[in-house]
Amino acid sequence: KAGVTQTPRYLIKTRGQQVTLSCSPISGHRSVSWYQQTPGQGLQFLFEYFSETQRNKGNFPGRFSGRQFSNSRSEMNVSTLELGDSALYLCASSLGFFDSSASYNEQFFGPGTRLTVL
Amino acid sequence: AQTVTQSQPEMSVQEAETVTLSCTYDTSESNYYLFWYKQPPSRQMILVIRQEAYKQQNATENRFSVNFQKAAKSFSLKISDSQLGDTAMYFCAFMKLPFGNEKLTFGTGTRLTIIP
Repeated sequence: KAGVTQTPRYLIKTRGQQVTLSCSPISGHRSVSWYQQTPGQGLQFLFEYFSETQRNKGNFPGRFSGRQFSNSRSEMNVSTLELGDSALYLCASSLGFFDSSASYNEQFFGPGTRLTVL
Repeated sequence: AQTVTQSQPEMSVQEAETVTLSCTYDTSESNYYLFWYKQPPSRQMILVIRQEAYKQQNATENRFSVNFQKAAKSFSLKISDSQLGDTAMYFCAFMKLPFGNEKLTFGTGTRLTIIP
């Protein structure tokens, strides 16, 4: 089974631009979560999508948005980029619901997208 | 809101030795999971071990085991017979139940270096 994939792996943008990151979950997974990782703030939860609906949201400004498609692939968008948005953006996929055949609804992480804002 | 604290920013240990990473957390929830994740220099986050809060028995996965003290809200990770491949950032994480709350709350991490 293929793992979680994220594209692109590296991205360089300038302040004020916008960016879109993509995440393809493991086949059969319906939940995709996004995290921002920075040296100063650590790993912070952005939002989670399940069956094309945002189900959970972290404390980030409205410049950060996302969506999920019918095939569970998810995109994350950041508008009006700021220097502080430079980070590693991780996505994680999981079943997203209780499955009695699974002992736990494990989250599997992708390799991340390294965004640099100049 | 939940908080997770890892008080050891960096640790190093000789290969084949045992090392313990500390984690404390704060929550008012009664049903939750705790995890240890490993992030090697390649950056892919990998689940090392998990613990259900309702289970008193400490989880074990090969050379990895935890010491879960629910009353003290402590969740430490012990790595036995450490190997060079154990060099990585280790994150302690919390997730409340029931399923449908996919948000993981992470600690700040411990950078572990295994010395040959």
